[in-house]
Amino acid sequence: AQSVTQPDIHITVSEGASLELRCNYSYGATPYLFWYVQSPGQGLQLLLKYFSGDTLVQGIKGFEAEFKRSQSSFNLRKPSVHWSDAAEYFCAVGTSTSGTYKYIFGTGTRLKVLA
Amino acid sequence: EPEVTQTPSHQVTQMGQEVILRCVPISNHLYFYWYRQILGQKVEFLVSFYNNEISEKSEIFDDQFSVERPDGSNFTLKIRSTKLEDSAMYFCASSEGAGGSGYTFGSGTRLTVV
Repeated sequence: AQSVTQPDIHITVSEGASLELRCNYSYGATPYLFWYVQSPGQGLQLLLKYFSGDTLVQGIKGFEAEFKRSQSSFNLRKPSVHWSDAAEYFCAVGTSTSGTYKYIFGTGTRLKVLA
Repeated sequence: EPEVTQTPSHQVTQMGQEVILRCVPISNHLYFYWYRQILGQKVEFLVSFYNNEISEKSEIFDDQFSVERPDGSNFTLKIRSTKLEDSAMYFCASSEGAGGSGYTFGSGTRLTVV
């Protein structure tokens, strides 16, 4: 069965430090992969996506993610974190059996940024 | 930037009552979805909707749930007889295509069943 694992429930980094959020997926075919961010009181905002091509994808807000098929991973990175990046981050895999894609989400990683 | 709008942001209802959660998807989007997130748990797929019919639904989406697009702009989720375990954040989303390029989510309706 398809699944997404985000091993880190909470991560704390200092402002200006680099960030890597881990995501592992289980999916039989070539996955459609996404990272979403949820700020308090807000909906889920799409940061970036991957479904083919270059395995390093760039997203909004300076985020990037790298797809590694051999490791079944799609880790999110940012070279220098800003205080406004404090939020919850969700990795998801898109699956389709009906022609419409549904997403399977990980449990999320809550990022805290220290000033 | 276009948004998916959900109302109300928070709803409290008594067990056994019917609730309708409302969503206004982005106007040129054709695919619509509902997800929910029980406190402390994963965001879970409930249902997808296209061309005025359900494309796919999860095991959670039983006979107590229904969706409707009553006019050209609204998309609703109805829970016929709410249970305590229906308490969750419900997210509506829409996409222009079939969802492979990502959805736009609304900010959610927090449903509390007492």
